[in-house]
Amino acid sequence: GENVEQHPSTLSVQEGDSAVIKCTYSDSASNYFPWYKQELGKRPQLIIDIRSNVGEKKDQRIAVTLNKTAKHFSLHITETQPEDSAVYFCAASIDKLVFGAGTILRVKS
Amino acid sequence: DGGITQSPKYLFRKEGQNVTLSCEQNLNHDAMYWYRQDPGQGLRLIYYSQIVNDFQKGDIAEGYSVSREKKESFPLTVTSAQKNPTAFYLCASSIAPGQYGGYTFGSGTRLTVV
Repeated sequence: GENVEQHPSTLSVQEGDSAVIKCTYSDSASNYFPWYKQELGKRPQLIIDIRSNVGEKKDQRIAVTLNKTAKHFSLHITETQPEDSAVYFCAASIDKLVFGAGTILRVKS
Repeated sequence: DGGITQSPKYLFRKEGQNVTLSCEQNLNHDAMYWYRQDPGQGLRLIYYSQIVNDFQKGDIAEGYSVSREKKESFPLTVTSAQKNPTAFYLCASSIAPGQYGGYTFGSGTRLTVV
C-alpha cells in the first residue's frame, strides 16, 4: 500500500522567515495531495491541496509543489507568523488518505 | 463541528471493557473514516466505509469494530482485544472515495484507559 514519509519532524524558524516541509510517497497511482494544519488538541484543518495534474499551487503565503517523477511534494510557508505554529501533516490519496508522521513547526517571535 | 460530530469528547475505559465512539455527519458524504492519532505519530487508518452497509479494514484494525447501517453514522467500538487503546480518535468524511477536496474531520474523542 501507499507509504508517506515526511521531513523534518520538527522545524523552528524566526518570524518572517520561510518554512519548507517535504514529503515523499511510494505509490505512483496517488493522485491527490492535501496538507493539514493541526493545533494542539484540535482537529486537522485542510490548508492547501494539489492534484496530480498540477505542478504548483499557491494561496497567499502558502504554496505546494509536486514532482510526480520523483514522487515528492513540498509545503512552503513564506513570511511566517507566530500563529503558523502547529503540527503540519501531508497526505497522499488514491481512494483514502495516507498521512505522513507530521512536522512540528515553531515560529519564534 | 463543521457538519461532522464526534461524541463524547473524553472517554475513560476500564480494563476488559468495550466502548463505542460516535460519529455523525450531515454533509451527505458517502465515505467515512476512523483514524487513530498517538503523540509524535501521524494519523493511522483504522477502518473506512465507502458506502452504507460496507466497510474495509485499514492499517490497524485489530481490536476495533465498526458498522455503517446509515449514511450519516459510522460508530467505532474499541474492544477489550485492543491492548493499548489510549489515543486521540478522529472521524472524517468525504464526498466520495478518491474525490478531490479532502476530508472533513470531527473534533475527536480522547480515550484513556483507567
